[in-house]
Amino acid sequence: GQNIDQPTEMTATEGAIVQINCTYQTSGFNGLFWYQQHAGEAPTFLSYNVLDGLEEKGRFSSFLSRSKGYSYLLLKELQMKDSASYLCAVRATGGRSGYSTLTFGKGTMLLVSP
Amino acid sequence: DTGVSQDPRHKITKRGQNVTFRCDPISEHNRLYWYRQTLGQGPEFLTYFQNEAQLEKSRLLSDRFSAERPKGSFSTLEIQRTEQGDSAMYLCASSLAPGTGGYEQYFGPGTRLTVT
Repeated sequence: GQNIDQPTEMTATEGAIVQINCTYQTSGFNGLFWYQQHAGEAPTFLSYNVLDGLEEKGRFSSFLSRSKGYSYLLLKELQMKDSASYLCAVRATGGRSGYSTLTFGKGTMLLVSP
Repeated sequence: DTGVSQDPRHKITKRGQNVTFRCDPISEHNRLYWYRQTLGQGPEFLTYFQNEAQLEKSRLLSDRFSAERPKGSFSTLEIQRTEQGDSAMYLCASSLAPGTGGYEQYFGPGTRLTVT
């Protein structure tokens, strides 16, 4: 099975930088995704890491260390609209059919205050 | 709008009734996924299709749940003899198959099911 752990809640102020950590245990690792989900809405794709290192995309960056089973999402220049749940998801090969499936963590609720 | 669409957006049903949800994926996506999400949890994988073939089904999925994608385009998820524990948001997502240039899944707005 897979185990994905991320903090339940985080708070930060507008303009600041916040780092949301995710640790995972899995076999057949095949990529790690970060999604943003506003209340009552569908998750939207933010980033994808399959190799170790940092991927930067505008105000958002994501880091992966496969040997440590660790990733983080870094959000810079926080805005009020960044208040949302951030979901870490691991893709792994090894279901009954041998195909890859995506397993989500419970999400980290980020509250950005003025 | 060329995103993933789901119908209905909300469904209220009485315990014991059957319900069916529909998902229309992004047209060029050959993979289609169903997830269930409850409050305070991440989406939980239910099943997925590549074209019309159902490739994987979660061990957590009871026999009351069935999904189809008969022509490799839209999909339906049916829940028979609904129970109060089935109350959740049912999310559909689609993607290209890995190796064909895509990896991320695009989610639809979901169908919120309430079983009374």
